[in-house]
Amino acid sequence: GAGVSQSPSNKVTEKGKDVELRCDPISGHTALYWYRQSLGQGLEFLIYFQGNSAPDKSGLPSDRFSAERTGGSVSTLTIQRTQQEDSAVYLCASSTGLAGNHEQYFGPGTRLTVT
Amino acid sequence: GQSLEQPSEVTAVEGAIVQINCTYQTSGFYGLSWYQQHDGGAPTFLSYNALDGLEETGRFSSFLSRSDSYGYLLLQELQMKDSASYFCAVLNDYKLSFGAGTTVTVRA
Repeated sequence: GAGVSQSPSNKVTEKGKDVELRCDPISGHTALYWYRQSLGQGLEFLIYFQGNSAPDKSGLPSDRFSAERTGGSVSTLTIQRTQQEDSAVYLCASSTGLAGNHEQYFGPGTRLTVT
Repeated sequence: GQSLEQPSEVTAVEGAIVQINCTYQTSGFYGLSWYQQHDGGAPTFLSYNALDGLEETGRFSSFLSRSDSYGYLLLQELQMKDSASYFCAVLNDYKLSFGAGTTVTVRA
């Protein structure tokens, strides 16, 4: 069956430009998460969606970062005025929600490089 | 907030047993999950403990002691394909907080 997909797989951008990262979760999964992973590091939580609402945006590093989810499905993470420290792999995950939140299904990630 | 500690690296030979310990401090706790991530790949779910005790899934087992804020992942009969990073993660309601990961290297 279809897993979580993300696009693009790689993105190179110049400092100061805006980027949009897309996530397609598993169909029927109500919970969606964005994480950031720097080389050799753990996963840093960014934001959580339940349906289309984001009750927890506490991990967003600055107001340059925003995310939305529409139709209870696709999500977009937008980074405005990118900085070199934004370079990382951005991972999206989904789960069934409620009792299934311990088991998250991850996409392959988007590797973002800011030059 | 949450903090988790796990060793950064472990090396072992094929066929051996490896135990990856994870200690945590958290303001809320539902359970402890474990994830595997191969180099360049996506994290994949391995195991979850909500209650004290041992959970066995094939060659992998996971243990939790809530009173000690401690858990471990046990990898048995190590195979080359087990070379990967392993993350423990505390579940607090809807949110997983991940440790920094343990890199396991399996030698022939």
